[in-house]
Amino acid sequence: EPEVTQTPSHQVTQMGQEVILRCVPISNHLYFYWYRQILGQKVEFLVSFYNNEISEKSEIFDDQFSVERPDGSNFTLKIRSTKLEDSAMYFCASTLTGDFYEQYFGPGTRLTVT
Amino acid sequence: EDKVVQSPLSLVVHEGDTVTLNCSYEVTNFRSLLWYKQEKKAPTFLFMLTSSGIEKKSGRLSSILDKKELFSILNITATQTGDSAVYLCAVPRFQGAQKLVFGQGTRLTINP
Repeated sequence: EPEVTQTPSHQVTQMGQEVILRCVPISNHLYFYWYRQILGQKVEFLVSFYNNEISEKSEIFDDQFSVERPDGSNFTLKIRSTKLEDSAMYFCASTLTGDFYEQYFGPGTRLTVT
Repeated sequence: EDKVVQSPLSLVVHEGDTVTLNCSYEVTNFRSLLWYKQEKKAPTFLFMLTSSGIEKKSGRLSSILDKKELFSILNITATQTGDSAVYLCAVPRFQGAQKLVFGQGTRLTINP
């Protein structure tokens, strides 16, 4: 069964460093998402991406964040200058259509900022 | 503001018991509600509900939606230790592309 994959599974970085989290969505899916979950808190939407552009972003997704689909398979989330409060589990998700279709989640990347 | 509220936040039962998890929502332009199971990492999809009163069933799990009262329930019968997980309710919010608005989750623990 096709699945969303994410790398790395765990990333430790120092405050102020740049990190890139990578995702390979399901191959025929068209809509891509990043969510994050701070330990013990709700899963929160960060950004949605369709047709090579951001379709929606949350208040969390400020200028320090960017997303890219550099080729036909990868979908990346970059945090330019990490802060302690960026420590969280970051989930990538994809879906076939923008409506009435479940989102499939990757296993997540645990980001620890020290 | 869109809101999804789950209850209880935590539930501990014995193997074999039946549990009911609740999800209420206030979302503009509601279209569907999704249930996910989160064990250690990624939420895995369980059900999508779009119509009131129609039960979705998968093995010992079932779910139903009430669009008039704005809630859904997830039932698990004859629980097993493998059902221990956090169960998440999410409602898609559409603005160009759907984003999921999640509830806090219900942490279900099944004791042998």
